[in-house]
Amino acid sequence: NAGVTQTPKFQVLKTGQSMTLQCAQDMNHNSMYWYRQDPGMGLRLIYYSASEGTTDKGEVPNGYNVSRLNKREFSLRLESAAPSQTSVYFCASIWTASNQPQHFGDGTRLSIL
Amino acid sequence: DQQVKQNSPSLSVQEGRISILNCDYTNSMFDYFLWYKKYPAEGPTFLISISSIKDKNEDGRFTVFLNKSAKHLSLHIVPSQPGDSAVYFCAASGVQAGSYQLTFGKGTKLSVIP
Repeated sequence: NAGVTQTPKFQVLKTGQSMTLQCAQDMNHNSMYWYRQDPGMGLRLIYYSASEGTTDKGEVPNGYNVSRLNKREFSLRLESAAPSQTSVYFCASIWTASNQPQHFGDGTRLSIL
Repeated sequence: DQQVKQNSPSLSVQEGRISILNCDYTNSMFDYFLWYKKYPAEGPTFLISISSIKDKNEDGRFTVFLNKSAKHLSLHIVPSQPGDSAVYFCAASGVQAGSYQLTFGKGTKLSVIP
């Protein structure tokens, strides 16, 4: 019963390198989300996909791109990593964008030197 | 501008006593509120929620209270147990930019002392 799976769990990058964070869910959910969490901060929405084939910007989209590859998978790409993007990244999913709880993965801890 | 505020970064409580975690919000369009619990190196897990049409929701040891006029909600844990030690995030849901989105507070780290 995997739920939401994120890979990798940890990654260290150098400034300017690119990286794709992967997220997959096995709950047949339509909506998927990417958040970042910084020390002393709550989770902030980067991008979301309300349904397969659609993506939209959240609160902090600059420096990121996303791809909703299919219903199961939603990836987050850093084209040219910057130290300010050092963070823990969480993927979440929900049956459909509504007033219901989102289900979260265990996160990817990303450090950019 | 923070729309969801958790003003206490940390809280320590003795085992067996009540833990009260507080949350304030500013956006009147929020109509559903959630509490998530997060252990280190894990993702947030849903704990309990409340709709804006209610003022109380109870689930075992956990009760959430909502005061709409004050734009305030609180989570009560009774009795508190050492396993409850975690970071608790308050979140509010509503339609933003045409889709439902969650807005999170900064979290309160609860430590339950045996």
